[in-house]
Amino acid sequence: RKEVEQDPGPFNVPEGATVAFNCTYSNSASQSFFWYRQDCRKEPKLLMSVYSSGNEDGRFTAQLNRASQYISLLIRDSKLSDSATYLCVVNMGSGAGSYQLTFGKGTKLSVIP
Amino acid sequence: GAGVSQSPSNKVTEKGKDVELRCDPISGHTALYWYRQSLGQGLEFLIYFQGNSAPDKSGLPSDRFSAERTGGSVSTLTIQRTQQEDSAVYLCASSPQRRSYNEQFFGPGTRLTVL
Repeated sequence: RKEVEQDPGPFNVPEGATVAFNCTYSNSASQSFFWYRQDCRKEPKLLMSVYSSGNEDGRFTAQLNRASQYISLLIRDSKLSDSATYLCVVNMGSGAGSYQLTFGKGTKLSVIP
Repeated sequence: GAGVSQSPSNKVTEKGKDVELRCDPISGHTALYWYRQSLGQGLEFLIYFQGNSAPDKSGLPSDRFSAERTGGSVSTLTIQRTQQEDSAVYLCASSPQRRSYNEQFFGPGTRLTVL
């Protein structure tokens, strides 16, 4: 099983649609989870951290299911500017001293006018 | 404020040549990371520096790859005797503390092409 696995897409959705991305991770001891966004030929940028209780930031909602080792990202009311590749990122170590992040290959989203 | 900067932005070299890639982290960030992203692939961890501690080199793919971080700031990634499979975007990131849940700030990357 790959360490961090995502559906590569592409997801082609109309403006205003709701779209959800899923990610699974292999290490049950993983402690920290993130979604990064990467625009074409640009560097990744943090979109949001994922907390155990789930968290929301505007149109974006992240959920964590530790039992199933599963993370999700929901985007409501999609905008053209949301078009990008969304990277699922997991810290595979345990404890605050661990630092290595493992990146999924990303899910490509295209929002169509 | 200034973000992470990398130079050069693009590098084209011939197989067998050595290349040096530079990273200037955000001022005050003690942690620095190098990653490699090949076409259609995820980010691959290469090396990690934290303060004055010995670097974690566990991700370096071969002994042709090495990195230094001078004065706890600027870092240089050196690839000796480049091969075509080294072609990729090399990304540097920094973060303020040695804690996994701190955001990593990425530079724009160096796109390396080995002919």
